Amino acid sequence: EIVLTQSPATLSLSPGERATLSCRASQSVSSYLAWYQQKPGQAPRLLIYDASNRATGIPARFSGSGSGTDFTLTISSLEPEDFAVYYCQQRSNYTFGPGTKVDIK
Amino acid sequence: QITLKESGPTLVKPTQTLTLTCTFSGFSLSTSGVGVGWIRQPPGKALEWLALIYWDDDKRYSPSLKSRLTITKDTSKNQVVLTMTNMDPVDTATYYCAHIGSGWWGERWDYWGQGTLVTVSS
Repeated sequence: EIVLTQSPATLSLSPGERATLSCRASQSVSSYLAWYQQKPGQAPRLLIYDASNRATGIPARFSGSGSGTDFTLTISSLEPEDFAVYYCQQRSNYTFGPGTKVDIK
Repeated sequence: QITLKESGPTLVKPTQTLTLTCTFSGFSLSTSGVGVGWIRQPPGKALEWLALIYWDDDKRYSPSLKSRLTITKDTSKNQVVLTMTNMDPVDTATYYCAHIGSGWWGERWDYWGQGTLVTVSS
């Protein structure tokens, strides 16, 4: 089973700063990786699919990159509504990573 | 407009079987490339994929839970049903269903239900 590892577990930043989140797979998943945002009490929201494609309605400040085993989600300039937990998911066997919490510094 | 909603018991006893229904609108599970997935999230913990079913009745299960899960679809009712046997307190979680769209563009799990909290307790 493919295992996803996310780092850091928590990222403390201020609004306007750049956020860089990492997701690493235990073996290659090609470009088959998605990123989700989840706020307390809400369902996950798809941000990025297949590594670098923004989902419908997702602001341009969110971008994804990577292939194989190493992937990155970048938020170019944090808005107040971006403080949340972010999960990656690979679609070779659909497992999720443990999440990265982005909180306000 | 695509919407999904999970329904089922909020409380089950240990060893019982859980049956959850995902009722959806705005798409058809008879359309090529469409699927529905189930995901759960224990309180304060990460997401865990459980199962999915595609338009052609292709079914996939989490290896760690495969022996306890069954997923079926009723295209005429726009529903997907997930059953999980031998429930245990560690299965307490919010259970979500999600629309899966796949095609030349890739695959997107792009619409999610609000989730339903299931508590396992005697």
